[in-house]
Amino acid sequence: GENVEQHPSTLSVQEGDSAVIKCTYSDSASNYFPWYKQELGKRPQLIIDIRSNVGEKKDQRIAVTLNKTAKHFSLHITETQPEDSAVYFCAAWMDSSYKLIFGSGTRLLVRP
Amino acid sequence: NAGVTQTPKFQVLKTGQSMTLQCAQDMNHNSMYWYRQDPGMGLRLIYYSASEGTTDKGEVPNGYNVSRLNKREFSLRLESAAPSQTSVYFCASSDAGTGGRGEQFFGPGTRLTVL
Repeated sequence: GENVEQHPSTLSVQEGDSAVIKCTYSDSASNYFPWYKQELGKRPQLIIDIRSNVGEKKDQRIAVTLNKTAKHFSLHITETQPEDSAVYFCAAWMDSSYKLIFGSGTRLLVRP
Repeated sequence: NAGVTQTPKFQVLKTGQSMTLQCAQDMNHNSMYWYRQDPGMGLRLIYYSASEGTTDKGEVPNGYNVSRLNKREFSLRLESAAPSQTSVYFCASSDAGTGGRGEQFFGPGTRLTVL
């Protein structure tokens, strides 16, 4: 069945360091991979996404990479700031089912 | 634009009681979704509606029913609440039903406690 695994479950970094979160997906038909950020008590919000015909996408301090052969994708945050502290979710979309399957989340803590 | 709205924000039920969670979107999206979020388990899809007039089960549909009332509104009903349904419920919408994958926009959530 469809499955998305996300690691690590928690990540603590010093302000200014980089953070990397990794996800793997099971269905090779997946073709859209968004990342959501959820601050405490708030709703998830899209921060970046990548489609299957692209290997990398960057938006200021965040970037996402995709390896379709290995069926994994990663979120990279550079020069982390305290306001980056949140839970991050990866997800994989399948056209055949009109569903987003989410990973279990990574709690990122940026220490000042 | 209000985006996606949900009512109520908080609810406490006793085991066996029923209730309906309401969701509405004003972005003219075709697709709507209901998720539940439990600690350490991410977002799990309960039901979804790819377009008006259709509904399908997600990963965890047992104990729930849905109604796509019109293009704007998608409600989630708990017929006989159980403590295992204590969770935060999010509604979301996207334009995926038009053939695009689209960003999913989430509502503010409903925090439900079943005693």
